[in-house]
Amino acid sequence: RKEVEQDPGPFNVPEGATVAFNCTYSNSASQSFFWYRQDCRKEPKLLMSVYSSGNEDGRFTAQLNRASQYISLLIRDSKLSDSATYLCVVEAGTYKYIFGTGTRLKVLA
Amino acid sequence: NAGVTQTPKFRVLKTGQSMTLLCAQDMNHEYMYWYRQDPGMGLRLIHYSVGEGTTAKGEVPDGYNVSRLKKQNFLLGLESAAPSQTSVYFCATVHPTGEGETQYFGPGTRLLVL
Repeated sequence: RKEVEQDPGPFNVPEGATVAFNCTYSNSASQSFFWYRQDCRKEPKLLMSVYSSGNEDGRFTAQLNRASQYISLLIRDSKLSDSATYLCVVEAGTYKYIFGTGTRLKVLA
Repeated sequence: NAGVTQTPKFRVLKTGQSMTLLCAQDMNHEYMYWYRQDPGMGLRLIHYSVGEGTTAKGEVPDGYNVSRLKKQNFLLGLESAAPSQTSVYFCATVHPTGEGETQYFGPGTRLLVL
């Protein structure tokens, strides 16, 4: 089993749709979790950290399920500008991180 | 502030040639990382540094060396390039206090080894 697994997609959704991505991780001792966004041929940028209680930032909601060892990202009211690859990142030791392979999202007009 | 910069942006090497990639940051961050990103593989950690004068191996260190002589610079060296090292290389920094654990990435270096 890979340490961090994501569905590579692509997820093709119309503007205004709600889309959800899941990411599973294998190390039950991991304490920190993140979603990064990466545009084509650009560097990754932090979208949001994922807290135990779940957190929301505008149209984006992140959840953590420790029992099942997965994190999720929900995007509501999708915009064309949300088209990107979303990377799941899991802490693998003190300030060391494991990246998922990413999930591609295409929002269609 | 420039944040994290990488030099060069793009390079073509022949098998067996050597080169050094430079990562520079002006954020005074302690931790610095070198990753490589290949299609379908995600970002993989090559080497990292927890402070000036320190380096440690990551997941895929073979064929690479690093140095952190100054806090603001982290160098990645390829002594004898191989086609398998064709990749996009990203440098990143983390400051472990005050800013959470946000990783700040440089724009990347695209390396093609023929």
